Amino acid sequence: EIVLTQSPGTLSLSPGERATLSCRASQSVSSRYLAWYQQKPGRSPRLLIYGASTRATGIPGRFTGSGSGTDFTLTVSRLEPEDFAVYYCQQYGSSEFTFGPGTKVDIK
Amino acid sequence: EVQVVESGGGLVQPGGSLRLSCAATGFIFDAYVMHWVRQAPGKGLEWVSSISWDSGTIAYADSVKGRFTISRDNARNSLYLQMNSLRPEDTALYYCARAYTSGWNCAFDIWGQGTVVTVSS
Repeated sequence: EIVLTQSPGTLSLSPGERATLSCRASQSVSSRYLAWYQQKPGRSPRLLIYGASTRATGIPGRFTGSGSGTDFTLTVSRLEPEDFAVYYCQQYGSSEFTFGPGTKVDIK
Repeated sequence: EVQVVESGGGLVQPGGSLRLSCAATGFIFDAYVMHWVRQAPGKGLEWVSSISWDSGTIAYADSVKGRFTISRDNARNSLYLQMNSLRPEDTALYYCARAYTSGWNCAFDIWGQGTVVTVSS
């Protein structure tokens, strides 16, 4: 089973600042099968990024995914008020699908 | 509108059973892999189980293997999760989710609102 670790656990930033979230896998994620999701309180998760770097439909350009192998990054170039949420990475390159523990981005 | 709607959650005693359902609308259901994901109160997302379009490929998380059974009825555009031998640690909000393409190795692009399962005496 591929285990995902996300850091930091919490990121405290102000609107307009840049957010950099990390996701590390215990073994290589094949074919960059890595996704990022955003979840706001009381809401279902929303797919942001798949294939490590492809934005899902309707996702703003300020969200950028990068990385390969075992190290992946989600960058939000300039935080908007609606971006404060919990972000999860997920690998889907094996027969099982695992999520990271999440990074909470809150308002400083 | 493309959507999935879960139902069937509730309060059940430890050792009991429950069957969750997920009704899909707005897309060709039998073309997609479908998934169950759960979220315990105040915790993160945990993948539970997945099933291919033809039920030919099925996978479970170790935490539910041997106790939960995923199935689908393409004629009814429905996904199911039969949960047996329930434990308090199975308490969670259970989401139904769709893969964004017909392949197995795809992210999950459509999520329901979830149905709450509480296992307690």
